[in-house]
Amino acid sequence: NAGVTQTPKFQVLKTGQSMTLQCAQDMNHEYMSWYRQDPGMGLRLIHYSVGAGITDQGEVPNGYNVSRSTTEDFPLRLLSAAPSQTSVYFCATSSWGNTEAFFGQGTRLTVV
Amino acid sequence: AQSVTQLDSQVPVFEEAPVELRCNYSSSVSVYLFWYVQYPNQGLQLLLKYLSGSTLVESINGFEAEFNKSQTSFHLRKPSVHISDTAEYFCAVSASGGSYIPTFGRGTSLIVHP
Repeated sequence: NAGVTQTPKFQVLKTGQSMTLQCAQDMNHEYMSWYRQDPGMGLRLIHYSVGAGITDQGEVPNGYNVSRSTTEDFPLRLLSAAPSQTSVYFCATSSWGNTEAFFGQGTRLTVV
Repeated sequence: AQSVTQLDSQVPVFEEAPVELRCNYSSSVSVYLFWYVQYPNQGLQLLLKYLSGSTLVESINGFEAEFNKSQTSFHLRKPSVHISDTAEYFCAVSASGGSYIPTFGRGTSLIVHP
């Protein structure tokens, strides 16, 4: 089992460019979420999903879009990248049967 | 909604000394509590969790945390740290019976010196 797979691991964007961060899981978990990690700020929730076709906003959703068409995938879209979106992004999954959240290895994004 | 406060951003200690990383939470509903650890350039992994029952929970590598409902705290302790314990530690809370999507504190960097 791969668990939670994030791609790419590193990315450099120019201001105004768009891109999609990929997250895939093979754990059959209902819940998926995206966090950003910034120094001194911990992990802040961007968007989350409680199942296919259902998404909701977290603490810092502005500038990001998500969709959940399948149980396995939960992509995060940056529509027009800004330097303030320079961060490390983590995808996580969890389920009713297991209270633990499982994390991907992260995507380090730099917007110049 | 829940919130988590980690009272120390950085805790330096010498090897084999005891350590305590402090965590307080706020919630209007019953919660589950977690400590996650992040080693450099890696994702987070669960260290230990409190769901119900005994208020003292332990990890396999010697850490323990005690749930104190009256003080809304979940402090992490280890009686003797090793160099390999150097990492970032995050306290997290989620609503029991909810979607198990945790809210995290800002993290505490544990730095173990030889």
